Amino acid sequence: DTAVSQTPKYLVTQMGNDKSIKCEQNLGHDTMYWYKQDSKKFLKIMFSYNNKELIINETVPNRFSPKSPDKAHLNLHINSLELGDSAVYFCASSHGTSGGTYEQYFGPGTRLTVT
Amino acid sequence: GENVEQHPSTLSVQEGDSAVIKCTYSDSASNYFPWYKQELGKRPQLIIDIRSNVGEKKDQRIAVTLNKTAKHFSLHITETQPEDSAVYFCAASISGGSYIPTFGRGTSLIVHP
Repeated sequence: DTAVSQTPKYLVTQMGNDKSIKCEQNLGHDTMYWYKQDSKKFLKIMFSYNNKELIINETVPNRFSPKSPDKAHLNLHINSLELGDSAVYFCASSHGTSGGTYEQYFGPGTRLTVT
Repeated sequence: GENVEQHPSTLSVQEGDSAVIKCTYSDSASNYFPWYKQELGKRPQLIIDIRSNVGEKKDQRIAVTLNKTAKHFSLHITETQPEDSAVYFCAASISGGSYIPTFGRGTSLIVHP
């Protein structure tokens, strides 16, 4: 069973377009995250979200917005894509404050290429 | 906020040698320190973690040590194997509340056969 899944795996699009990446977890976790990993492999957290609060990394442009239809899903919507948005985007989930363990489970990643 | 420094950025060893990756953190309130391994083209996965009430933890060939006073922690890999080649990330966080770890910038470990 896939614990954290993302779609699509690859996304190639042009500058100025709007795109979404979907994420689903079947672990029953209450907290989900989005990370951006650039070519230098740095994992930059973009958002943390549970059913109570959304925490946004203040350096993330407001062109990026998370949308959570329910606890098992956290989608990432990106408006007006720019060349610098090219990266691998990872979704992750964890128990957060409950469950006693804080291990983050990552999805397989979505490689976004903006041309 | 928390700041995590990780060194070295690249580490090259011969198979069978030991490898050590070091991290320092700035927030004395941090009490949970996980290590993630990311193989090429794959997702990061937790390999070991340590809480602030423990000074050392081992799991087969890997171990993590924590010095709360100095605010640094290290990953030790003994008898390295080619399959240990990957990028390793340390992180520091405060358990409870809105759990958001701060990651180091990663160490690329290369194990030469």
